[in-house]
Amino acid sequence: DTGVSQDPRHKITKRGQNVTFRCDPISEHNRLYWYRQTLGQGPEFLTYFQNEAQLEKSRLLSDRFSAERPKGSFSTLEIQRTEQGDSAMYLCASSLDRTGYSPLHFGNGTRLTVT
Amino acid sequence: SQELEQSPQSLIVQEGKNLTINCTSSKTLYGLYWYKQKYGEGLIFLMMLQKGGEEKSHEKITAKLDEKKQQSSLHITASQPSHAGIYLCGARGNKLVFGAGTILRVKS
Repeated sequence: DTGVSQDPRHKITKRGQNVTFRCDPISEHNRLYWYRQTLGQGPEFLTYFQNEAQLEKSRLLSDRFSAERPKGSFSTLEIQRTEQGDSAMYLCASSLDRTGYSPLHFGNGTRLTVT
Repeated sequence: SQELEQSPQSLIVQEGKNLTINCTSSKTLYGLYWYKQKYGEGLIFLMMLQKGGEEKSHEKITAKLDEKKQQSSLHITASQPSHAGIYLCGARGNKLVFGAGTILRVKS
């Protein structure tokens, strides 16, 4: 069990640029989640996948945000035309949910700074 | 939508002292999770509570779930500097909804 891996750890970009983050979940986990966290707040839910299907998206996820999980393995989160308000920590988590709910296991996050 | 309120927002305790963090839900709790986070890092899973009255312990940390009160508490006995960090409660449905967190500092 190598844990949830996120890449990059830090990203600095200029306003208007596009960025893409990658998440590699724990290998046998069927669910994958994306969260956003700003200073002094708890993580806010963005979206989640069960295998390759995106089952729920938050209203926080504007049209500039898109997430994919091809083949039900790794996932990418893309932000187009970044804005300063997008600066945050983006957290990925995975879980193995079969008959009940199991804990989410989080990666160390990608910290995005938009200048 | 479900909301979780944590109290206190922050606390500073002397090493060796006990402390309690509370988490209150706006709706019925079907599963309550406690996580710890160090600044700039991901969340570390501590405990999961699923039944009313359930109590779990890990090392010096004990969590309880009061389903009727829609509340959970996290108690740390004889705090140590290693306990410092942000404690987050989360309520589970298809997704996990978090409280804002409680910042704990332990003075040695």
